[in-house]
Amino acid sequence: GAGVSQSPSNKVTEKGKDVELRCDPISGHTALYWYRQSLGQGLEFLIYFQGNSAPDKSGLPSDRFSAERTGGSVSTLTIQRTQQEDSAVYLCASSLVGWQVNTEAFFGQGTRLTVV
Amino acid sequence: QKEVEQDPGPLSVPEGAIVSLNCTYSNSAFQYFMWYRQYSRKGPELLMYTYSSGNKEDGRFTAQVDKSSKYISLFIRDSQPSDSATYLCAMSAVAGYSTLTFGKGTMLLVSP
Repeated sequence: GAGVSQSPSNKVTEKGKDVELRCDPISGHTALYWYRQSLGQGLEFLIYFQGNSAPDKSGLPSDRFSAERTGGSVSTLTIQRTQQEDSAVYLCASSLVGWQVNTEAFFGQGTRLTVV
Repeated sequence: QKEVEQDPGPLSVPEGAIVSLNCTYSNSAFQYFMWYRQYSRKGPELLMYTYSSGNKEDGRFTAQVDKSSKYISLFIRDSQPSDSATYLCAMSAVAGYSTLTFGKGTMLLVSP
């Protein structure tokens, strides 16, 4: 596609429910990143994929959070038993190659998650 | 002290003004510095990337890094209403998007 696409754009869920957030990276991009942007906070790194592998998942805040990537393309971030503190904008980014800051990463528009 | 400090604003300026946006940091190991622009309800987009110290210019934008003071700046000349956005600084000690530490962002409002 032309850019990184995330769905849904907005998600309201009840506390305790599971949610899945989807990211379609730019075609051909091998690296994929998930970030979280909470109100009044900076972007917080969650997990990095190179191909289908996740060499760095150090940012996942708890074992309720998991992510996978299939076919070196689409990625899904799953949050189980959602809590109100999970409310945030979840951003996905992709880049042609990984581990190089001078290779631009392009961000999607984000999924705004609200847990009520 | 937080690793990266950035005034949240909002910073309001008239069209045509020179804008100065700043971040301070505490980790002396940071050597990769980036500025992102984020429009409302959109993802961040990379504006400027600088390695180590010095200045970098791209059109109306100039990025400065002063490692001795642990201070980075983004200058916008001839500001336009379309520059109204939140500007995020980001920095890292090693190459890699997973290691970036982001500031909270400064909201800029340029009035016509």
